[in-house]
Amino acid sequence: AQSVTQLGSHVSVSEGALVLLRCNYSSSVPPYLFWYVQYPNQGLQLLLKYTSAATLVKGINGFEAEFKKSETSFHLTKPSAHMSDAAEYFCAVSDRRYGGATNKLIFGTGTLLAVQP
Amino acid sequence: DADVTQTPRNRITKTGKRIMLECSQTKGHDRMYWYRQDPGLGLRLIYYSFDVKDINKGEISDGYSVSRQAQAKFSLSLESAIPNQTALYFCATSDLGRGYTFGSGTRLTVV
Repeated sequence: AQSVTQLGSHVSVSEGALVLLRCNYSSSVPPYLFWYVQYPNQGLQLLLKYTSAATLVKGINGFEAEFKKSETSFHLTKPSAHMSDAAEYFCAVSDRRYGGATNKLIFGTGTLLAVQP
Repeated sequence: DADVTQTPRNRITKTGKRIMLECSQTKGHDRMYWYRQDPGLGLRLIYYSFDVKDINKGEISDGYSVSRQAQAKFSLSLESAIPNQTALYFCATSDLGRGYTFGSGTRLTVV
């Protein structure tokens, strides 16, 4: 079974400060890992994804995440927060296997990021 | 037009009523999913379908049913709605796990 744990349901940073949103995964097979962002009253937008190529993944809006197998982590970072980054962020994992795989996307419970002026 | 279209966007219904949420996609993906989002719980999988003849239950399928009418259409039904089914519902499609495309969501309120 696969799962993800997002540490911290609410994170608050000052504008210009480092953003660090934590995600740890559990998977019995090599995973695909994703970060999604949800702005207020909107659907989910893909920020970035890890699919077994480079372990440091760069996404949209200046975000990046590093896959660390030894720590089973996939933390999301951004060097300098902007007011427009205020949103809810979801980490997700899916099964990488194709043949017979469920290919379901399993989400964490989300982290609400607030950016203070 | 959006790649994944959900209708209606908002719906208020009464307890005990049958309601259908519809989803259509233009991505050409075989795989379609229904999730519900609740505050503090993230998104949880209700049903998923790998093709028209393949329907599978997710982690919270009780009280729900689905119909895959065509490759592009996947509907979610609540046979007898209850208040704890009040949530934001998302339809999604995928292409072998390399990426999901989500609809804009349907906000359902059961009173």
